[in-house]
Amino acid sequence: QQPVQSPQAVILREGEDAVINCSSSKALYSVHWYRQKHGEAPVFLMILLKGGEQKGHEKISASFNEKKQQSSLYLTASQLSYSGTYFCGTGGNKFYFGSGTKLNVKP
Amino acid sequence: KAGVTQTPRYLIKTRGQQVTLSCSPISGHRSVSWYQQTPGQGLQFLFEYFSETQRNKGNFPGRFSGRQFSNSRSEMNVSTLELGDSALYLCASSRGARADTQYFGPGTRLTVL
Repeated sequence: QQPVQSPQAVILREGEDAVINCSSSKALYSVHWYRQKHGEAPVFLMILLKGGEQKGHEKISASFNEKKQQSSLYLTASQLSYSGTYFCGTGGNKFYFGSGTKLNVKP
Repeated sequence: KAGVTQTPRYLIKTRGQQVTLSCSPISGHRSVSWYQQTPGQGLQFLFEYFSETQRNKGNFPGRFSGRQFSNSRSEMNVSTLELGDSALYLCASSRGARADTQYFGPGTRLTVL
């Protein structure tokens, strides 16, 4: 029931792009994306509710393919502040998080 | 609007003891969920409370329990602590609708010696 994330870790230079994938073996009602910086609580990024929906905030966007039970998070022109661990979360009231993708953006 | 608060922030206990953690949700939020975060297991769902009732439960032993009060504040209790219970315990609050956005508190870092 826990979604699977890939890759486990990414190292980028500032300005480079990254894609983080999240897939589930169960039908998805929604996908939530969070970012957690070291020593801090996870912070909500965005939620996707409809199949094929794509949402974005500045240079971070996400897509949700309900049929494929997958979601992808796109980080374009990455900044140092993007560093952290990204989690996808799925489920209804019983929530399951992926194992996380550690993103490290270097100058 | 004030965020989710958790107390205490840090706790050191010894094996066999019990511990109670507290979570105050965002004003107006009726759902509180608890998670255990460890380097090896990631974020694991413990349970969710809504309107003073446990609505969902994860796969944790009965040593882990919780409750929610009429003001939506929640407590989590772990009895007979084991070394493996050392973790960051996070609570998250939401309005309570299905798949609602969850807002996390800063967590309680529990160390069991």
